[in-house]
Amino acid sequence: DAGVIQSPRHEVTEMGQEVTLRCKPISGHDYLFWYRQTMMRGLELLIYFNNNVPIDDSGMPEDRFSAKMPNASFSTLKIQPSEPRDSAVYFCASSSHRGQVQPQHFGDGTRLSIL
Amino acid sequence: QKEVEQNSGPLSVPEGAIASLNCTYSDRGSQSFFWYRQYSGKSPELIMFIYSNGDKEDGRFTAQLNKASQYVSLLIRDSQPSDSATYLCAVDPNTGNQFYFGTGTSLTVIP
Repeated sequence: DAGVIQSPRHEVTEMGQEVTLRCKPISGHDYLFWYRQTMMRGLELLIYFNNNVPIDDSGMPEDRFSAKMPNASFSTLKIQPSEPRDSAVYFCASSSHRGQVQPQHFGDGTRLSIL
Repeated sequence: QKEVEQNSGPLSVPEGAIASLNCTYSDRGSQSFFWYRQYSGKSPELIMFIYSNGDKEDGRFTAQLNKASQYVSLLIRDSQPSDSATYLCAVDPNTGNQFYFGTGTSLTVIP
């Protein structure tokens, strides 16, 4: 079975540019999570969706960050304008509400470097 | 107080020894507990979960849960160099599938 698919795997861009990260969750999963990971702050939850609806975006650091989930199989995280401090690895994860235990499954991540 | 706390390490054990990784959590209502392994430059990979008090064994891995003490641990028996990674503890507080992650414990298994 296909896991969570993220693209691109690597992104290098100059500050001020718009960055768009993409995620395809596991088919049938109804929760989708966006995380950011840095050495200093570890794994931080940015936002999560349930049935395509944003549930909690309190982790989104600034208005420069936005996320959408137009359908059950696709989500985007945008940063506009990007800044060097946004450099991090961004992970998407998905899970299902079914079953007593609902583990989150992670994609391979997007390594973002803002110059 | 952080929701989930782990010793950051690094933890070093010789090959063949038992590695013990510990995690405490603050939300007493938490229901499910997860251990993820993350190799350098890779994504977190689920290795075990537990939701009942006691021990759960899967191969060389044993998860232990004590809800009264709000404590969960992971034991790795017969540690191998390939077990060298960061281990993340995650807790499901039973509020909408959101997890609380610890900062991870770095484990090095020395050949």
